[in-house]
Amino acid sequence: SQQGEEDPQALSIQEGENATMNCSYKTSINNLQWYRQNSGRGLVHLILIRSNEREKHSGRLRVTLDTSKKSSSLLITASRAADTASYFCATDANDYKLSFGAGTTVTVRA
Amino acid sequence: KAGVTQTPRYLIKTRGQQVTLSCSPISGHRSVSWYQQTPGQGLQFLFEYFSETQRNKGNFPGRFSGRQFSNSRSEMNVSTLELGDSALYLCASSPEQGRAGEQYFGPGTRLTVT
Repeated sequence: SQQGEEDPQALSIQEGENATMNCSYKTSINNLQWYRQNSGRGLVHLILIRSNEREKHSGRLRVTLDTSKKSSSLLITASRAADTASYFCATDANDYKLSFGAGTTVTVRA
Repeated sequence: KAGVTQTPRYLIKTRGQQVTLSCSPISGHRSVSWYQQTPGQGLQFLFEYFSETQRNKGNFPGRFSGRQFSNSRSEMNVSTLELGDSALYLCASSPEQGRAGEQYFGPGTRLTVT
């Protein structure tokens, strides 16, 4: 079973627009991470936010974490065609594994 | 540093056969994890090894097994293959000792069972 649920399942936006996706999880966590996957290839780590942090930025990425609601959001600003990919949230509950959500497929139209 | 490497990249097997997949982590990383990715179930955790010890195992049948060698390289084995084992198998390594920190993923092995 998966720890996280992501919303929406799919997102289509115009180049230059912002993309926002959300992740909800069920148990207490140590940290939450976001990964990107292009066309069935390996996952690439984007950002990690610890349970005692509320917001984190990395380039065009902004992640928020609300542990009281057990939810996180990933915002990609000024999207580019190269941002077309699937995005996954993953939680670390201090059990030596990551539990992944189902993912959000983002398509950026030129 | 070289990234995580997985061999082979593609594999076609017949039901009932067994298969061994290999993963070489990033130099210096002692934690290696395996995940199965399918369209229906998404990314599912298989097992994690640290210094040759399995620290966690996912909810998979005993046909799925793994091991880690003293040089941190890892292998996973699936015996008596079933059609449902067709999937992308991903290996990830991490420098973290105490928890699941940032994971560095390999390109995966695409297994097709016919």
